[in-house]
Amino acid sequence: DSGVTQTPKHLITATGQRVTLRCSPRSGDLSVYWYQQSLDQGLQFLIQYYNGEERAKGNILERFSAQQFPDLHSELNLSSLELGDSALYFCASSVQLGRLAGIYNEQFFGPGTRLTVL
Amino acid sequence: GIQVEQSPPDLILQEGANSTLRCNFSDSVNNLQWFHQNPWGQLINLFYIPSGTKQNGRLSATTVATERYSLLYISSSQTTDSGVYFCAVAVTGANSKLTFGKGITLSVRP
Repeated sequence: DSGVTQTPKHLITATGQRVTLRCSPRSGDLSVYWYQQSLDQGLQFLIQYYNGEERAKGNILERFSAQQFPDLHSELNLSSLELGDSALYFCASSVQLGRLAGIYNEQFFGPGTRLTVL
Repeated sequence: GIQVEQSPPDLILQEGANSTLRCNFSDSVNNLQWFHQNPWGQLINLFYIPSGTKQNGRLSATTVATERYSLLYISSSQTTDSGVYFCAVAVTGANSKLTFGKGITLSVRP
């Protein structure tokens, strides 16, 4: 158990719908990352938050958005869902000791949310 | 962006055999992690190894940062070692996002 929790484990929905994926980082971790794993794209970085602020963006679609709340949990919102959005969505967390320190820490991954869009 | 190449793409072993999995990367990194993705899809942290050598039971890893590669050694393989092994790196001086290789699919036969 990595200490990162994600809910729900599975989600089945229809095209055009909107869903919210939730992530709770490890205790003490300030940084949260979202990754998507699909058959054609592999594992790719979507977005990172650090202590409530967006830190970095990857190949995240405009239909997707995320936020990190004061209690440090994060939510990934996916809207106007398409068949191609079906994937395994991972959340990861790390301590991230600060931008200026230049210290990068090990990322720990949650169990993932498997999204199926029908 | 940084390129991460893993080899071989597929590996079939008889139980008890040893193997070496390789990860090459194209830029300077300050984070390198090895993961095992089990059949249920979970990503299990194996090593955090931006440089040097580490060992954990039957597994060990070595990263030679100056030559931009990392190796994962599996000794006395077991059927439970089956799955996909990913190498992921974060580029020095950039944000800390991980860029993953395509993975190595390992099948250990009894």
